[in-house]
Amino acid sequence: DADVTQTPRNRITKTGKRIMLECSQTKGHDRMYWYRQDPGLGLRLIYYSFDVKDINKGEISDGYSVSRQAQAKFSLSLESAIPNQTALYFCATSDPQTTGANVLTFGAGSRLTVL
Amino acid sequence: RKEVEQDPGPFNVPEGATVAFNCTYSNSASQSFFWYRQDCRKEPKLLMSVYSSGNEDGRFTAQLNRASQYISLLIRDSKLSDSATYLCVVNKIWGGADGLTFGKGTHLIIQP
Repeated sequence: DADVTQTPRNRITKTGKRIMLECSQTKGHDRMYWYRQDPGLGLRLIYYSFDVKDINKGEISDGYSVSRQAQAKFSLSLESAIPNQTALYFCATSDPQTTGANVLTFGAGSRLTVL
Repeated sequence: RKEVEQDPGPFNVPEGATVAFNCTYSNSASQSFFWYRQDCRKEPKLLMSVYSSGNEDGRFTAQLNRASQYISLLIRDSKLSDSATYLCVVNKIWGGADGLTFGKGTHLIIQP
């Protein structure tokens, strides 16, 4: 099984729908992140969490919310999806104690299409 | 100047050749530097960290030039399996991945 698992892997939805992307990890890392990737653009940070009680906005948090349900689970929600949220979304983890604070382990990605 | 800038390519290189590409960054206070590799439609994976003194991992060599604010990646004896997009990643702060800025990537195609 993958260390960082994202569900769903692919989703097509309509404008205005609420969407949740889920991420779970077995690495035991405290730090978790949500990024989006668009063609021709670098990965951009949406939200991050350093532990269960910590939630922080990233560069592009508008239109998104997150929930850190447990150390191992970090979900991303789009309350009312719009077409420009069509992108590839990645969850990632890091751990200062083992792999290093700056080294990210990514999930396989969730491809979201908003029509 | 963009925070992290890379030539998007594609770089078309024959198998066995040596290829090098650079990445420039705008924040002179940047603290740490990395190369990630991303295969088509896959997640990015860490290729190597870049240290001030330069570092090598097999066929891959990374260099940092703080004065000119660029990092480089050299791939020797390129293999078909090296075909991928290489992401330059720079951290402007110590201690947290929340400070990471990703370049758009350089697309490398190794041809048989």
